[in-house]
Amino acid sequence: SQQGEEDPQALSIQEGENATMNCSYKTSINNLQWYRQNSGRGLVHLILIRSNEREKHSGRLRVTLDTSKKSSSLLITASRAADTASYFCATDESTGGFKTIFGAGTRLFVKA
Amino acid sequence: ETGVTQTPRHLVMGMTNKKSLKCEQHLGHNAMYWYKQSAKKPLELMFVYSLEERVENNSVPSRFSPECPNSSHLFLHLHTLQPEDSALYLCASSQKTGYTEAFFGQGTRLTVV
Repeated sequence: SQQGEEDPQALSIQEGENATMNCSYKTSINNLQWYRQNSGRGLVHLILIRSNEREKHSGRLRVTLDTSKKSSSLLITASRAADTASYFCATDESTGGFKTIFGAGTRLFVKA
Repeated sequence: ETGVTQTPRHLVMGMTNKKSLKCEQHLGHNAMYWYKQSAKKPLELMFVYSLEERVENNSVPSRFSPECPNSSHLFLHLHTLQPEDSALYLCASSQKTGYTEAFFGQGTRLTVV
Protein backbone atom coordinates (compact mmCIF):
# COMPACT_ATOMS: atom_id res chain seq x y z
CA SER A 1 0.00 0.00 0.00
CA GLN A 2 1.04 3.56 -0.56
CA GLN A 3 2.89 5.22 2.26
CA GLY A 4 4.49 8.58 2.85
CA GLU A 5 8.04 8.34 4.06
CA GLU A 6 9.51 11.22 5.98
CA ASP A 7 13.13 12.24 5.94
CA PRO A 8 15.03 12.73 8.16
CA GLN A 9 13.79 10.43 10.89
CA ALA A 10 15.06 12.86 13.51
CA LEU A 11 16.20 16.46 13.43
CA SER A 12 17.77 18.58 16.18
CA ILE A 13 18.18 22.34 15.72
CA GLN A 14 18.63 25.52 17.73
CA GLU A 15 15.77 27.86 18.43
CA GLY A 16 15.50 30.45 15.69
CA GLU A 17 16.80 28.15 12.96
CA ASN A 18 14.65 26.81 10.15
CA ALA A 19 13.61 23.16 10.06
CA THR A 20 12.97 21.30 6.82
CA MET A 21 11.33 17.90 6.65
CA ASN A 22 10.71 15.91 3.51
CA CYS A 23 8.11 13.37 2.51
CA SER A 24 8.11 10.98 -0.42
CA TYR A 25 5.24 8.85 -1.61
CA LYS A 26 4.69 6.17 -4.20
CA THR A 27 1.49 6.64 -6.21
CA SER A 28 -0.72 9.43 -7.50
CA ILE A 29 -2.52 11.42 -4.85
CA ASN A 30 -5.39 13.86 -4.50
CA ASN A 31 -3.83 15.75 -1.65
CA LEU A 32 -1.07 15.61 0.92
CA GLN A 33 -1.42 16.67 4.52
CA TRP A 34 1.03 17.42 7.29
CA TYR A 35 0.24 16.69 10.92
CA ARG A 36 2.03 17.33 14.18
CA GLN A 37 2.03 15.11 17.26
CA ASN A 38 3.28 16.01 20.69
CA SER A 39 4.63 13.05 22.62
CA GLY A 40 1.97 10.44 23.35
CA ARG A 41 -0.92 12.62 22.22
CA GLY A 42 -3.22 12.89 19.24
CA LEU A 43 -2.26 14.33 15.89
CA VAL A 44 -3.07 17.90 14.98
CA HIS A 45 -3.66 18.90 11.38
CA LEU A 46 -1.27 21.58 10.13
CA ILE A 47 -1.85 22.05 6.44
CA LEU A 48 -3.35 20.37 3.37
CA ILE A 49 -2.00 20.86 -0.12
CA ARG A 50 -3.91 19.63 -3.16
CA SER A 51 -2.25 17.85 -6.05
CA ASN A 52 -2.72 20.87 -8.33
CA GLU A 53 -0.99 23.20 -5.87
CA ARG A 54 2.77 23.68 -5.66
CA GLU A 55 3.18 25.73 -2.51
CA LYS A 56 1.16 26.73 0.49
CA HIS A 57 1.81 28.90 3.52
CA SER A 58 0.33 29.00 6.98
CA GLY A 59 2.01 31.27 9.50
CA ARG A 60 5.59 30.02 9.94
CA LEU A 61 4.85 26.91 7.89
CA ARG A 62 5.61 26.53 4.22
CA VAL A 63 4.70 23.37 2.33
CA THR A 64 5.77 22.52 -1.19
CA LEU A 65 4.56 19.70 -3.39
CA ASP A 66 6.31 18.27 -6.42
CA THR A 67 4.04 15.67 -7.99
CA SER A 68 6.60 14.82 -10.68
CA LYS A 69 9.02 13.72 -7.97
CA LYS A 70 6.26 12.49 -5.67
CA SER A 71 7.65 14.51 -2.81
CA SER A 72 6.71 17.27 -0.41
CA SER A 73 8.58 19.37 2.07
CA LEU A 74 7.54 21.13 5.26
CA LEU A 75 9.56 24.16 6.30
CA ILE A 76 9.17 25.66 9.76
CA THR A 77 10.81 29.06 9.91
CA ALA A 78 12.22 30.70 13.03
CA SER A 79 11.65 27.56 15.07
CA ARG A 80 10.71 27.68 18.73
CA ALA A 81 11.17 25.17 21.55
CA ALA A 82 7.40 24.65 21.43
CA ASP A 83 7.77 23.28 17.88
CA THR A 84 9.39 20.18 19.37
CA ALA A 85 7.17 17.31 18.21
CA SER A 86 6.85 14.59 15.60
CA TYR A 87 5.69 15.63 12.15
CA PHE A 88 3.87 13.30 9.78
CA CYS A 89 2.83 13.52 6.18
CA ALA A 90 -0.31 11.78 5.06
CA THR A 91 -1.57 11.03 1.57
CA ASP A 92 -4.88 10.10 -0.01
CA GLU A 93 -4.82 7.85 -3.05
CA SER A 94 -6.21 9.41 -6.20
CA THR A 95 -7.71 6.09 -7.23
CA GLY A 96 -10.40 6.60 -4.69
CA GLY A 97 -10.96 4.75 -1.49
CA PHE A 98 -10.98 5.73 2.09
CA LYS A 99 -7.43 5.55 3.20
CA THR A 100 -5.31 8.35 4.53
CA ILE A 101 -1.89 6.78 4.83
CA PHE A 102 0.64 8.18 7.27
CA GLY A 103 4.40 7.95 7.20
CA ALA A 104 6.61 7.08 10.17
CA GLY A 105 7.26 10.73 10.97
CA THR A 106 10.16 13.06 11.65
CA ARG A 107 11.00 13.78 15.25
CA LEU A 108 11.99 17.44 15.59
CA PHE A 109 13.79 18.69 18.67
CA VAL A 110 14.29 22.43 19.01
CA LYS A 111 16.83 23.42 21.62
CA ALA A 112 16.26 26.64 23.54
CA GLU B 1 -9.10 20.32 22.12
CA THR B 2 -9.94 18.99 18.67
CA GLY B 3 -13.56 18.08 19.34
CA VAL B 4 -12.80 14.36 19.41
CA THR B 5 -12.78 12.79 22.86
CA GLN B 6 -11.38 9.38 23.70
CA THR B 7 -11.84 7.43 26.90
CA PRO B 8 -10.11 6.06 28.80
CA ARG B 9 -6.78 7.83 28.32
CA HIS B 10 -4.88 4.89 29.79
CA LEU B 11 -5.83 1.23 30.04
CA VAL B 12 -4.01 -1.77 31.42
CA MET B 13 -5.62 -5.11 30.73
CA GLY B 14 -4.78 -8.77 31.04
CA MET B 15 -4.82 -11.07 28.06
CA THR B 16 -8.07 -12.67 29.15
CA ASN B 17 -9.92 -9.41 29.81
CA LYS B 18 -12.59 -7.75 27.71
CA LYS B 19 -12.58 -3.98 27.51
CA SER B 20 -13.84 -1.25 25.21
CA LEU B 21 -12.38 2.01 23.97
CA LYS B 22 -14.76 4.87 23.34
CA CYS B 23 -14.56 7.77 20.92
CA GLU B 24 -16.99 10.65 20.66
CA GLN B 25 -17.17 13.59 18.26
CA HIS B 26 -19.69 16.42 18.05
CA LEU B 27 -18.26 18.04 14.96
CA GLY B 28 -21.00 16.82 12.68
CA HIS B 29 -18.53 14.60 10.82
CA ASN B 30 -19.69 11.61 8.84
CA ALA B 31 -16.50 9.55 8.92
CA MET B 32 -14.68 8.04 11.87
CA TYR B 33 -11.47 6.06 12.06
CA TRP B 34 -9.43 3.87 14.38
CA TYR B 35 -5.64 3.99 14.09
CA LYS B 36 -2.98 2.04 15.97
CA GLN B 37 0.33 3.69 16.74
CA SER B 38 3.15 1.45 17.92
CA ALA B 39 6.61 2.63 18.81
CA LYS B 40 8.80 3.40 15.79
CA LYS B 41 6.09 2.35 13.32
CA PRO B 42 3.86 4.39 11.02
CA LEU B 43 0.30 4.98 12.04
CA GLU B 44 -1.72 1.92 11.02
CA LEU B 45 -5.26 2.47 9.80
CA MET B 46 -7.49 -0.18 11.39
CA PHE B 47 -11.10 0.66 10.57
CA VAL B 48 -13.05 3.32 8.72
CA TYR B 49 -16.71 4.09 9.19
CA SER B 50 -18.72 6.29 6.87
CA LEU B 51 -22.25 7.21 7.91
CA GLU B 52 -22.14 4.43 10.50
CA GLU B 53 -21.18 1.76 7.97
CA ARG B 54 -17.82 0.09 8.02
CA VAL B 55 -16.10 0.81 4.73
CA GLU B 56 -12.58 -0.33 5.47
CA ASN B 57 -11.14 -3.14 7.53
CA ASN B 58 -7.41 -3.39 7.15
CA SER B 59 -6.89 -7.06 7.93
CA VAL B 60 -7.25 -6.42 11.62
CA PRO B 61 -7.38 -9.51 13.88
CA SER B 62 -10.83 -10.43 15.11
CA ARG B 63 -9.83 -9.77 18.70
CA PHE B 64 -10.47 -6.13 17.75
CA SER B 65 -14.15 -5.48 17.09
CA PRO B 66 -15.38 -1.99 16.12
CA GLU B 67 -18.87 -0.64 16.64
CA CYS B 68 -20.41 2.57 15.37
CA PRO B 69 -23.91 2.96 16.83
CA ASN B 70 -24.33 6.48 15.41
CA SER B 71 -22.28 9.05 13.58
CA SER B 72 -21.03 10.63 16.82
CA HIS B 73 -19.76 7.54 18.59
CA LEU B 74 -17.24 4.85 17.80
CA PHE B 75 -16.15 1.96 19.97
CA LEU B 76 -13.34 -0.54 19.78
CA HIS B 77 -14.11 -3.72 21.69
CA LEU B 78 -11.08 -5.66 22.83
CA HIS B 79 -10.85 -9.29 23.91
CA THR B 80 -8.07 -11.83 24.41
CA LEU B 81 -5.41 -9.36 23.34
CA GLN B 82 -1.71 -10.10 23.08
CA PRO B 83 1.19 -8.10 24.57
CA GLU B 84 2.14 -6.93 21.07
CA ASP B 85 -1.23 -5.16 20.90
CA SER B 86 0.07 -2.66 23.43
CA ALA B 87 0.06 0.69 21.65
CA LEU B 88 -1.55 4.11 21.42
CA TYR B 89 -4.99 3.78 19.84
CA LEU B 90 -6.15 6.92 18.10
CA CYS B 91 -9.62 7.80 16.97
CA ALA B 92 -10.19 10.40 14.28
CA SER B 93 -13.10 11.92 12.42
CA SER B 94 -13.49 13.87 9.22
CA GLN B 95 -16.29 15.48 7.30
CA LYS B 96 -16.20 12.67 4.79
CA THR B 97 -13.93 9.77 4.02
CA GLY B 98 -10.65 10.67 2.41
CA TYR B 99 -9.40 13.95 0.96
CA THR B 100 -10.23 16.01 4.02
CA GLU B 101 -8.64 17.10 7.26
CA ALA B 102 -8.90 14.56 10.06
CA PHE B 103 -9.40 15.56 13.67
CA PHE B 104 -7.77 13.25 16.18
CA GLY B 105 -8.54 12.40 19.76
CA GLN B 106 -5.80 12.32 22.39
CA GLY B 107 -5.61 8.56 22.19
CA THR B 108 -5.86 5.65 24.60
CA ARG B 109 -2.54 4.23 25.78
CA LEU B 110 -3.19 0.50 26.02
CA THR B 111 -0.90 -1.89 27.84
CA VAL B 112 -1.61 -5.61 27.65
CA VAL B 113 -0.01 -7.62 30.43
